[in-house]
Amino acid sequence: DSGVTQTPKHLITATGQRVTLRCSPRSGDLSVYWYQQSLDQGLQFLIQYYNGEERAKGNILERFSAQQFPDLHSELNLSSLELGDSALYFCASSVALGYRVSNQPQHFGDGTRLSIL
Amino acid sequence: GENVEQHPSTLSVQEGDSAVIKCTYSDSASNYFPWYKQELGKRPQLIIDIRSNVGEKKDQRIAVTLNKTAKHFSLHITETQPEDSAVYFCAARTREGSNYKLTFGKGTLLTVNP
Repeated sequence: DSGVTQTPKHLITATGQRVTLRCSPRSGDLSVYWYQQSLDQGLQFLIQYYNGEERAKGNILERFSAQQFPDLHSELNLSSLELGDSALYFCASSVALGYRVSNQPQHFGDGTRLSIL
Repeated sequence: GENVEQHPSTLSVQEGDSAVIKCTYSDSASNYFPWYKQELGKRPQLIIDIRSNVGEKKDQRIAVTLNKTAKHFSLHITETQPEDSAVYFCAARTREGSNYKLTFGKGTLLTVNP
């Protein structure tokens, strides 16, 4: 158990719909990262939040957005869903308070499998 | 930005043999290199990492080597076992301002045949 909790585990929806994926980081971790994993694309970094603020953006579509709340949990919102959005979405967390950022690995949650029909 | 190339994309070995996976990176400022193991349908799990001030690190049957000059690092698994079968991802962390970004390779599917 990594300590990172993602809900739901599975999500099935239709094209054009909107979904919200939720992530609770490990206790004490301030950074949350979102990744998309498709069969042919490996792990694609989407976005990072640190202590409530957006810190870095990767290959995130404009139809996707995220936020990190005061209790440090994060939500990834996916809208106007397309068939190609079907993937595993992982959340990872790092940076325990008081530790140097550069020494902290990312720990992954179990992911949310999103299927678009 | 950082670019991480990983080879091979698939690797098949006999149980007991060694397996080597290689990665190259482009940004000389990258200073931290983790390796993750992902079993089918499960989350990536950190198995070993190395910092740029170290040339080699070992943990039982797993070792990682880093050549900063050539900008490449490798994962070595000795005495492979069927349970080592998984996809392995390398990554490189680069500092961008006050932030650190992790870039992953595309993964290597390792199959260990009994």
